[in-house]
Amino acid sequence: GAGVSQSPSNKVTEKGKDVELRCDPISGHTALYWYRQSLGQGLEFLIYFQGNSAPDKSGLPSDRFSAERTGGSVSTLTIQRTQQEDSAVYLCASSLLGGRGTEAFFGQGTRLTVV
Amino acid sequence: AQSVTQLGSHVSVSEGALVLLRCNYSSSVPPYLFWYVQYPNQGLQLLLKYTTGATLVKGINGFEAEFKKSETSFHLTKPSAHMSDAAEYFCAVSEAFSGNTGKLIFGQGTTLQVKP
Repeated sequence: GAGVSQSPSNKVTEKGKDVELRCDPISGHTALYWYRQSLGQGLEFLIYFQGNSAPDKSGLPSDRFSAERTGGSVSTLTIQRTQQEDSAVYLCASSLLGGRGTEAFFGQGTRLTVV
Repeated sequence: AQSVTQLGSHVSVSEGALVLLRCNYSSSVPPYLFWYVQYPNQGLQLLLKYTTGATLVKGINGFEAEFKKSETSFHLTKPSAHMSDAAEYFCAVSEAFSGNTGKLIFGQGTTLQVKP
């Protein structure tokens, strides 16, 4: 596609429910990132995928968070048993090859509100 | 460890005035530095980046930044602000110690307001 696409753009969920956030990266980009943007914490790295390598999950805040990337393309971020502190904008980004110095292209984000 | 500090969470300038957004970094290795802009309800867009070479980097929309190692700074400037420059600006460093991933460490962001 022309850019990184994320869905849904907005999601309101009840505390304790599970949510899935989807990211379609730019076609041909091997690297995919998830970041979280919240008022208190700013922009934080969550997880990184590169090709068929094991993902870098070092930024996931708890075991309620998980992500997968199928076929080296689409990625889904899953939050189980959502809590109010999970409310944030979740941004997905992709880059051609990954690595320091490469440009990451960001999607518009999914705004998650946990009530 | 690496970190980025943006001085001033809000900056207000008049249209036509100089824009200066401050960014200082901490890194024990030569840093790769970025400035991104975020317009309301949109994702981040790269303005410019510094990796190696020339320390004065020119980006899109008339912005530029200068890497100053002695001052550990990478301030963003634009000679003349336009109303369309109103947005949030993020300085970031590419993380260097957990593999060549390209993941970014961001500053807290600076909201630029442009007054007519």
